[in-house]
Amino acid sequence: NAGVTQTPKFQVLKTGQSMTLQCAQDMNHEYMSWYRQDPGMGLRLIHYSVGAGITDQGEVPNGYNVSRSTTEDFPLRLLSAAPSQTSVYFCASRSNYGDGYEQYFGPGTRLTVT
Amino acid sequence: KNEVEQSPQNLTAQEGEFITINCSYSVGISALHWLQQHPGGGIVSLFMLSSGKKKHGRLIATINIQEKHSSLHITASHPRDSAVYICAAPNTGNQFYFGTGTSLTVIP
Repeated sequence: NAGVTQTPKFQVLKTGQSMTLQCAQDMNHEYMSWYRQDPGMGLRLIHYSVGAGITDQGEVPNGYNVSRSTTEDFPLRLLSAAPSQTSVYFCASRSNYGDGYEQYFGPGTRLTVT
Repeated sequence: KNEVEQSPQNLTAQEGEFITINCSYSVGISALHWLQQHPGGGIVSLFMLSSGKKKHGRLIATINIQEKHSSLHITASHPRDSAVYICAAPNTGNQFYFGTGTSLTVIP
């Protein structure tokens, strides 16, 4: 199993540009989420999904969109990038059953907005 | 107010030392998680525990549900243990509150 994969690993955007961060998992996990990590702050939840076709907002959703058309994929879209969105982004997944809430994280995407 | 507080924020130790990282939380939880993040790397789950103690190699995690406190211990620390250790607690909505992490450096 590849686990949770994210692309790209690094990205530089100019203010106002849009892009999509890709996330995929091959563990058939129902629950997927996107976090951002900023210096001095804990991981903060952007959006999450409890299954295909179902998404919801987390703590810091503004400026981001998500969709979940399949169990495997959970892309994060930046509609109009702003310098405040410079951060490291992590995608995570977990099962709703069995191993409980143990989360599996992707390797992260380091995004810089100039 | 942070629902999950970790201490210390930074920790430097000599190789071989016994290390303790503390986590206090203010929310009711069913389980507490310890995560490890290596420099420039991803995040891996170390422990998920709801009571008592768990041990993986040189790492030991304990939790006291009544006191809402957990500790992560590293015995015979090694430079490869250098990482950020993060405490996380799921809330009733199955989301997570994360601590800001403890940055550990183990010097040879």
